[in-house]
Amino acid sequence: GESVGLHLPTLSVQEGDNSIINCAYSNSASDYFIWYKQESGKGPQFIIDIRSNMDKRQGQRVTVLLNKTVKHLSLQIAATQPGDSAVYFCAENGNSGGSNYKLTFGKGTLLTVNP
Amino acid sequence: ETGVTQSPTHLIKTRGQQVTLRCSSQSGHNTVSWYQQALGQGPQFIFQYYREEENGRGNFPPRFSGLQFPNYSSELNVNALELDDSALYLCASSLGSTNTGELFFGEGSRLTVL
Repeated sequence: GESVGLHLPTLSVQEGDNSIINCAYSNSASDYFIWYKQESGKGPQFIIDIRSNMDKRQGQRVTVLLNKTVKHLSLQIAATQPGDSAVYFCAENGNSGGSNYKLTFGKGTLLTVNP
Repeated sequence: ETGVTQSPTHLIKTRGQQVTLRCSSQSGHNTVSWYQQALGQGPQFIFQYYREEENGRGNFPPRFSGLQFPNYSSELNVNALELDDSALYLCASSLGSTNTGELFFGEGSRLTVL
């Protein structure tokens, strides 16, 4: 069955360092991937997305890399700040061409930024 | 702020009871999806409503049901509550039911079943 998982459940970095959060997915039919940030007590917040016809996409301080050969997704955060501390989820939509929009989320990585 | 509002924010129920959770979607969004997030886990898709019709369902039993109203707000109903139903219930709205695009999540309703 389809699944999305994370290699590391926790990541601790120093303020100013770059962070890399990894994610593996198993559904080769997935054609759309999203990274969400969830702060304590809040709902998931969209960070960046990427379609399967791309291998890299950049946003403000964030970059998502997609390697379809090994079904791997990563989120890079440049110059990590204390406000980046949160749980990060990767999510994929395996319903390629389907009529509904169902995201499958991984378990999440807790990022802690030390001042 | 995503413009998606959920109520109540917290509630406590006992086993066997029924609960109704409510969601107002972001202005202009006609699609609402519901997710269940157990503690320490990622959200799991329950179902989606598009133009007042259920438009896809995850692996949840029939005692999880929903509604969408003409103004696109939505309700999630859970009957015969079980202890394992304790979770954060998230509502997400989007424009259209297509399989790409940003989902806007609310802050969630935290349900505790005793």
